[in-house]
Amino acid sequence: QVKLLQSGAALVKPGDSVKMSCKASGYTFTDYIIHWVKQSHGKSLEWIGYINPYSGGTNYNEKFKSKATLTVDKSSSTAYMEFSRLTSEDSAIYYCASEGYTYWGQGVMVTVSS
Amino acid sequence: DIQMTQSPSSLPASLGDRVTITCRASQDIGNYLRWFQQKPGKSPRLMIYGATNLAAGVPSRFSGSRSGSDYSLTINSLESEDMAIYYCLQHNEYPLTFGSGTKLEIK
Repeated sequence: QVKLLQSGAALVKPGDSVKMSCKASGYTFTDYIIHWVKQSHGKSLEWIGYINPYSGGTNYNEKFKSKATLTVDKSSSTAYMEFSRLTSEDSAIYYCASEGYTYWGQGVMVTVSS
Repeated sequence: DIQMTQSPSSLPASLGDRVTITCRASQDIGNYLRWFQQKPGKSPRLMIYGATNLAAGVPSRFSGSRSGSDYSLTINSLESEDMAIYYCLQHNEYPLTFGSGTKLEIK
């Protein structure tokens, strides 16, 4: 069955970067774009952007354009998101989702604290 | 950006009730509207796509409808497992935007 397995929780310092992964299985990785979504504690969802695993093409929410970098490794069916220059506002759960949001990863909790 | 105005933010209801949650789009989004259910500590789950289509495995007591720029999710005969937060998402135009969420709780 389709699974998106995300990397574990991260505790990072302000100003640092964090790179999280989303490993897909159960389908052909290059068939569906992968979206990334942010959920701050107790709040709604924000679309960060997507990457097309086939072409590597990306589309970012302007709000996150200078913050997030999306990449893929087709050989391992894994998508990555790097978040840079972290502040407390970036503390949140980050999800990857595929096939029109039918499938979601379990989320990565990122905590930014000194 | 397209604003999705979701209401109510909180909805106390009793088991067996029929409830409706609404999202209003600030611009035309056609039927590019999805509904998600999220339970505490879990990832969102797709419930409705194309504004009115039930996702695989979703109970038939859930339904979606559209009236102009208003999109609704209705749950007939509420069950305890339906208590969750529900979000709408427009995917007609980038950036994709979600509603602010409706917390469905037992009265």
